[in-house]
Amino acid sequence: AQSVTQLDSQVPVFEEAPVELRCNYSSSVSVYLFWYVQYPNQGLQLLLKYLSGSTLVKGINGFEAEFNKSQTSFHLRKPSVHISDTAEYFCAVSEADAGNQFYFGTGTSLTVIP
Amino acid sequence: DGGITQSPKYLFRKEGQNVTLSCEQNLNHDAMYWYRQDPGQGLRLIYYSQIVNDFQKGDIAEGYSVSREKKESFPLTVTSAQKNPTAFYLCASKDELTGDNSPLHFGNGTRLTVT
Repeated sequence: AQSVTQLDSQVPVFEEAPVELRCNYSSSVSVYLFWYVQYPNQGLQLLLKYLSGSTLVKGINGFEAEFNKSQTSFHLRKPSVHISDTAEYFCAVSEADAGNQFYFGTGTSLTVIP
Repeated sequence: DGGITQSPKYLFRKEGQNVTLSCEQNLNHDAMYWYRQDPGQGLRLIYYSQIVNDFQKGDIAEGYSVSREKKESFPLTVTSAQKNPTAFYLCASKDELTGDNSPLHFGNGTRLTVT
């Protein structure tokens, strides 16, 4: 089974500063990668996904992520954060040919400081 | 608009009572999932169903039961056997027709408090 590691449980950052949220996964098999955002007392909303092709993927709200196969990483970035980006962010992985199983990291709480 | 509806949003029960959480989707998705979320632990899979009248246990199925009598509905029952039922419960669905790489779509969750 996969394991997904989000090393940073909490990330404080000042408004308009850049941010990177880190995600590493364990398996070397072909994978699909996802980032989700969760606002308080709500469900998870898909930010972006990597399925194949270009390793740099762009998502909603100005976020982007880069897939690095050799480092088994899928870090999320935003060049300039807003107060409204304060939320919990989850990285998720599913394996090709076993797409019904999703593996989630433990989440990173992003707090944007005015 | 298509989506996943979970009800109620907040649920309070006394210890020893069974409680059923509702999940309905109008996305025409075949696969549906139940996750439990606790602070600092991410999402843990309780049950999932790939097709009507079939479901599989996830990582933490003990103390829970599900049914899948209709494609649109996947209710979760938290039984009195669940030792620590207070949590945030998330229902999700997935479009199987577009292949393995489809993402999960989530409802807005039900927060269950058992005292």
